[in-house]
Parts: sequence; structure tokens; C-alpha cells
Amino acid sequence: QQQVKQSPQSLIVQKGGISIINCAYENTAFDYFPWYQQFPGKGPALLIAIRPDVSEKKEGRFTISFNKSAKQFSLHIMDSQPGDSATYFCAASNQGGSEKLVFGKGTKLTVNP
Amino acid sequence: DGGITQSPKYLFRKEGQNVTLSCEQNLNHDAMYWYRQDPGQGLRLIYYSQIVNDFQKGDIAEGYSVSREKKESFPLTVTSAQKNPTAFYLCASTIPPGIEAFFGQGTRLTVV
Repeated sequence: QQQVKQSPQSLIVQKGGISIINCAYENTAFDYFPWYQQFPGKGPALLIAIRPDVSEKKEGRFTISFNKSAKQFSLHIMDSQPGDSATYFCAASNQGGSEKLVFGKGTKLTVNP
Repeated sequence: DGGITQSPKYLFRKEGQNVTLSCEQNLNHDAMYWYRQDPGQGLRLIYYSQIVNDFQKGDIAEGYSVSREKKESFPLTVTSAQKNPTAFYLCASTIPPGIEAFFGQGTRLTVV
């Protein structure tokens, strides 16, 4: 059972464009939604995270939008750069520890110069 | 610097051999995880441990074993029962369980 569904599987964007990756979840116990960035041959690293008490969180060019009623959240990368080319994973968990951290299947982003 | 150290970075195994992947953390985190990563498959959970001397199977535990004798160490053994062990293995830790995960740099295992 896939608890977090991520799309698209791959994404190609031109430099300066907007990259959008979407995730959906079913478990209403989830209350922490991070995004991880992974470069080839490296471990993933936390990029940005959101809790359901806010609908949007922005850090630099990266923004998470959260829709609690639809149980969906998305990552927007503004002014995408070739250095943003990586695999992005959404995830979900419960801060109380009753639900372990679960990941989406990942999106491979390529930003063309 | 605090972090998670996985070793070795590359590992080659002959068919029929068991091999152990090391994962050490100095973050004082309670929970530790092992994931397997294959192209297009995302991160699949093998085993996780929330406290010392306790661990639970993840989604793909068959052919793997773990131990958690110390808080800072969570080694993974890939046994000969794992039919397709060639993959990239990632170790992670969190405190408390479910909050930000810190990952190691991974071990790439190849069966030759």
C-alpha cells in the first residue's frame, strides 16, 4: 500500500521556469510533510517541510503548498536552475511517533540550461 | 561534526555470501532506518528501530537482518537469502521518530 503518491516520475524544465511536483496522502494521522533533495550517489537531505497548520511555506525559491482538505501538498521551485537537477522525494509522518516516516517514489528533475 | 556514517561506500559480494553494511550516528537520535533504493522505486523501508534492542520489519525485510545493540549503531546484514541484493542502501536516523530524517551517504552493493 503506497501511503504517499508522488507525481510526476520525471520532469524536464528550462532554466528560469517553474518546477512543480505533487504529492497526495491518505492517512489523516500524518502531520508533518517534508521534502528531500537527492543528488546522484548521495543521500537525501531535507529541503523544506510543512505542518498542516499553515497552507504555504516559502524558503528562497522553494515553496510548499498544502491543501489539508484534499490531502495534497506540492513543491514549487521558482526560477529553476541547472543546479536544482536532482531527485526530489516528498514524505509524511506523525510527530507523535505513531506513524513512521514514509516516502513518495521520487521525481527526477532535470533543468536544462 | 554530527552526522551519519555509512561504510563502505562501495561493496562487492559474491553470490551466496552474507555481507554487513555499517551505519553509525553521533546525533544521539533514537530512531534509525535502513532503506533500499532502486531506479524508479524510490526509498523502500527494510528495517527500522525506535530504541536500543528493538527493531521492526519494514516493507521489504525478507533476506535482511539487523541488530541494535547500541544507540549509535544499526548494522544491516544482507544474507544469501536476498535474491536480488544489488542496490543502493541508505541509513537514516530521526529524533523523535518521524521528524526530520538525516541520511548517510549510502552504500552501493553489487553482487558479482
